[in-house]
Amino acid sequence: AQKITQTQPGMFVQEKEAVTLDCTYDTSDPSYGLFWYKQPSSGEMIFLIYQGSYDQQNATEGRYSLNFQKARKSANLVISASQLGDSAMYFCAMREAPSGGYNKLIFGAGTRLAVHP
Amino acid sequence: DAGVIQSPRHEVTEMGQEVTLRCKPISGHDYLFWYRQTMMRGLELLIYFNNNVPIDDSGMPEDRFSAKMPNASFSTLKIQPSEPRDSAVYFCASSLSRERETQYFGPGTRLLVL
Repeated sequence: AQKITQTQPGMFVQEKEAVTLDCTYDTSDPSYGLFWYKQPSSGEMIFLIYQGSYDQQNATEGRYSLNFQKARKSANLVISASQLGDSAMYFCAMREAPSGGYNKLIFGAGTRLAVHP
Repeated sequence: DAGVIQSPRHEVTEMGQEVTLRCKPISGHDYLFWYRQTMMRGLELLIYFNNNVPIDDSGMPEDRFSAKMPNASFSTLKIQPSEPRDSAVYFCASSLSRERETQYFGPGTRLLVL
């Protein structure tokens, strides 16, 4: 079963508008972490934002915020005031914490965002 | 600060040849990860090291793949012999500690096996 689901293969947004990229996850571990990475066309993976399962507030990093709804098991990325440079692939990932092992990252399939002028 | 460094950035080789990918993690990071990215399978964890010791290699596809970390600042991923289905982007990532486990990725090596 998929542990990270990104249901939007592609999204379009007008420059300067806000956009929400969806991510749902599945885990029975009470302690976990959720990450968003950006992959522009150049190929590198850029860390954007992190949310811990015990964090009381939604994470924010500049124009990025994470809409964390624990009961719904969703961790949507919100990008405010979109810029042309935001056009990229976006990956949601979850830290999996098997007992006695390191916390592996499980990645979703990604959402390709296109920002139009 | 320098990020994760990978070399080569691009590699084209013929089926049956040995391929060696190299990675230098961020200084001070004690975890190192090797990932493979393909269109069909997305991002997959191949193997990771903690303090130079391989911890989990369950993602390594087969015996043709091997990875080493002889010291804290260098790791290799070797494919011998290479096959066309190994064509992918291979990423190396490192992280500081188990508590703050954000992984920082290198630029990747784009491998094409003909």
